[in-house]
Amino acid sequence: GAVVSQHPSWVICKSGTSVKIECRSLDFQATTMFWYRQFPKQSLMLMATSNEGSKATYEQGVEKDKFLINHASLTLSTLTVTSAHPEDSSFYICSAKVRGNTEAFFGQGTRLTVV
Amino acid sequence: AQSVTQLDSHVSVSEGTPVLLRCNYSSSYSPSLFWYVQHPNKGLQLLLKYTSAATLVKGINGFEAEFKKSETSFHLTKPSAHMSDAAEYFCVVTPLMGRRALTFGSGTRLQVQP
Repeated sequence: GAVVSQHPSWVICKSGTSVKIECRSLDFQATTMFWYRQFPKQSLMLMATSNEGSKATYEQGVEKDKFLINHASLTLSTLTVTSAHPEDSSFYICSAKVRGNTEAFFGQGTRLTVV
Repeated sequence: AQSVTQLDSHVSVSEGTPVLLRCNYSSSYSPSLFWYVQHPNKGLQLLLKYTSAATLVKGINGFEAEFKKSETSFHLTKPSAHMSDAAEYFCVVTPLMGRRALTFGSGTRLQVQP
């Protein structure tokens, strides 16, 4: 099956710094990528949807200036958490879809801890 | 609009007994439905998917699910639980066509007792 690689798998950063998370589709071209956030013992909440070459669409309540999403190519999307705070600590997961296919392929997730 | 309701937040079974994880959905569009499994601090793994073909879908690790349009349900079953099945399970819906994101249920934590 299709593989989505997410990096890093975990990161600890200081409050006020920025962290970049990468999501790559290794063996297919992802026309659409999604970023989700998951708090402990909760479901995945969609943060934003990005289509290659266009600006990301953010869900209500998600600050686009804080969570910068770039989808520069059909195989790479990045999420940058700017000026991170402890409340941004969470599990972030990306997923990718191919045009015409309803299935989404998920990265392994990134555990972000802001101290 | 679309939504998913997982009726049980927590299910506990004994090893070797059947598993039933319940899921109801609503969708304005013809839906695709999925079950994903997540082990602690891991990403999601697709168990099975329904995309308008056969209503009884067989997945990996002995799991299967039946799409029942009249009941708007997509319950996940397995005849005999294994200890390694202990994990979080998510029922997911997305429109059959288009680029929309997946909508996740709240999840069901499956415990398997020895």
